[in-house]
Amino acid sequence: NAGVTQTPKFQVLKTGQSMTLQCAQDMNHEYMSWYRQDPGMGLRLIHYSVGAGITDQGEVPNGYNVSRSTTEDFPLRLLSAAPSQTSVYFCASSYRGTENTEAFFGQGTRLTVV
Amino acid sequence: GENVEQHPSTLSVQEGDSAVIKCTYSDSASNYFPWYKQELGKGPQLIIDIRSNVGEKKDQRIAVTLNKTAKHFSLHITETQPEDSAVYFCAATPDRGSTLGRLYFGRGTQLTVWP
Repeated sequence: NAGVTQTPKFQVLKTGQSMTLQCAQDMNHEYMSWYRQDPGMGLRLIHYSVGAGITDQGEVPNGYNVSRSTTEDFPLRLLSAAPSQTSVYFCASSYRGTENTEAFFGQGTRLTVV
Repeated sequence: GENVEQHPSTLSVQEGDSAVIKCTYSDSASNYFPWYKQELGKGPQLIIDIRSNVGEKKDQRIAVTLNKTAKHFSLHITETQPEDSAVYFCAATPDRGSTLGRLYFGRGTQLTVWP
């Protein structure tokens, strides 16, 4: 099993450009989330999904879009990149049950917006 | 939503000493408290978790304690080794339908273990 795979690992964008960060998991997890990690700020939830076709906003959703057409994939779209979106982005997945369980994280995508 | 505070932000210890990281949470409904370790250039990885029906849990050199009344929980690492050097995150979340699969993280603690 590959677990949670994120691509690309590094990306540099110009202000105003758009791009999609890819996330795929092979554990058949229904829950998937996107977090951003900034120095001194911990991990903040951007968007999450409880299953295919169902998404919801987290703490810092502005400037990002998501969709979930399959159980395996949960891409994060930046519509018009801004320097404030320079960050390390992590995708996570977990098993859907009646209580919270371990979240598995990808290796991260380091994004720089210039 | 849940607010998790974590202290200290940096912690340096000598190899063999103990390290303690403390977290507080705001939502009395939170009942799941995981701890994640993040090594340089990698994603966070779960090292231990505890639920609110348990006051303490141990796994070799790592232990977590929970005080529900005071709304705080702590990570204890004994006999620290250089490979324990990493960023540690605490998290909290209620097992409610609307929050399942979501984690609220503290800001992290950079632990450095000197040989």
